[in-house]
Amino acid sequence: ILNVEQSPQSLHVQEGDSTNFTCSFPSSNFYALHWYRWETAKSPEALFVMTLNGDEKKKGRISATLNTKEGYSYLYIKGSQPEDSATYLCAFMGYNNNDMRFGAGTRLTVKP
Amino acid sequence: DVKVTQSSRYLVKRTGEKVFLECVQDMDHENMFWYRQDPGLGLRLIYFSYDVKMKEKGDIPEGYSVSREKKERFSLILESASTNQTSMYLCASIHRGTGELFFGEGSRLTVL
Repeated sequence: ILNVEQSPQSLHVQEGDSTNFTCSFPSSNFYALHWYRWETAKSPEALFVMTLNGDEKKKGRISATLNTKEGYSYLYIKGSQPEDSATYLCAFMGYNNNDMRFGAGTRLTVKP
Repeated sequence: DVKVTQSSRYLVKRTGEKVFLECVQDMDHENMFWYRQDPGLGLRLIYFSYDVKMKEKGDIPEGYSVSREKKERFSLILESASTNQTSMYLCASIHRGTGELFFGEGSRLTVL
């Protein structure tokens, strides 16, 4: 079973702080790395799907980088807001699209 | 707006009862998935289906079965519910082009 690990498990920051978390994954058989945001009482929603080594993607104040050779991805949030409070999940996808492995998530709480 | 709909948000069942969790997607996706989410463990794959009447076991299929009689509907069945099946269950389908998963809002099952 492939291991996808996320750190930290939880994070509490003040409004306006910038923050980042890590996803590590096996570097073999890599096809894509996904980031999802899961707010309480809602469905997880895709933030990024990244496929190329060195990829950097950005959506508003959130950005992500990918290193497939060493098997890690970083998610950055600039100037955190209370509405960013959620669990952030990463998922490793192997060449078989059905092989999608999730990390345990990072639970972010942004205090006003 | 694309949608994955799970039939029940909250269920309470007794040990030994048969439980059906229904999932419907309106995006004509071929691949559908059932996950369970438990604290500290992330999303774990129970079963997936890549076409009507086709199914594959995921990482934790024991105690579960599935049914895919129509492309849009993927059902998870607990033949005889047990207390260790108390969990949040998430259904998802995958966009073949982007690889992005679309999730339902989840079904929180409590087995007493």
